[in-house]
Amino acid sequence: GENVEQHPSTLSVQEGDSAVIKCTYSDSASNYFPWYKQELGKGPQLIIDIRSNVGEKKDQRIAVTLNKTAKHFSLHITETQPEDSAVYFCAASKKGSNYQLIWGAGTKLIIKP
Amino acid sequence: GAVVSQHPSWVICKSGTSVKIECRSLDFQATTMFWYRQFPKQSLMLMATSNEGSKATYEQGVEKDKFLINHASLTLSTLTVTSAHPEDSSFYICSAGDLSSGNTIYFGEGSWLTVV
Repeated sequence: GENVEQHPSTLSVQEGDSAVIKCTYSDSASNYFPWYKQELGKGPQLIIDIRSNVGEKKDQRIAVTLNKTAKHFSLHITETQPEDSAVYFCAASKKGSNYQLIWGAGTKLIIKP
Repeated sequence: GAVVSQHPSWVICKSGTSVKIECRSLDFQATTMFWYRQFPKQSLMLMATSNEGSKATYEQGVEKDKFLINHASLTLSTLTVTSAHPEDSSFYICSAGDLSSGNTIYFGEGSWLTVV
């Protein structure tokens, strides 16, 4: 079955710098890759997603890139702000999987003032 | 984005009692809802997949008689923790699939359960 690996487990960056979180997946049939942000004590919030028919998607300071050949996708956050501090999860799913997401282990992002 | 409402956000109950948590999709229809459990500093652990009008599919190791799931309509799924014990104390989160946007999944805010 699908396996999603996420790195790093913890990332500390200076406010204003960029942060990059990477995920790899094993099932080449996966076609949907969302990223979620989870703040302490709250449910995950969808921040951006990408489908396999595109290589990059951007929404203001957040972007996601997808390399289907290498089976990896990355989250890029530019001009980081203190409110970006949270745990970020990547996930993958495929058509016919009944929406089931396979999760990465999460990355704790710390923005240093 | 779409909204998933989870209630209650926190609950304290006595050992041996049952607790029901509701998950509602407020502005879309969800044929599929998921229930997760999350331990501190860990990723989400899928407990079961709930399809409207049919029995839930439980993950290995999850007791279906203890964690009762009902998905009676396209906007509501419930998780009932029966005969709760302190080890059931955890953060429970539901999510729902939005048919109109492919397989996009939205999450509720989670429910903190403390069993004393």
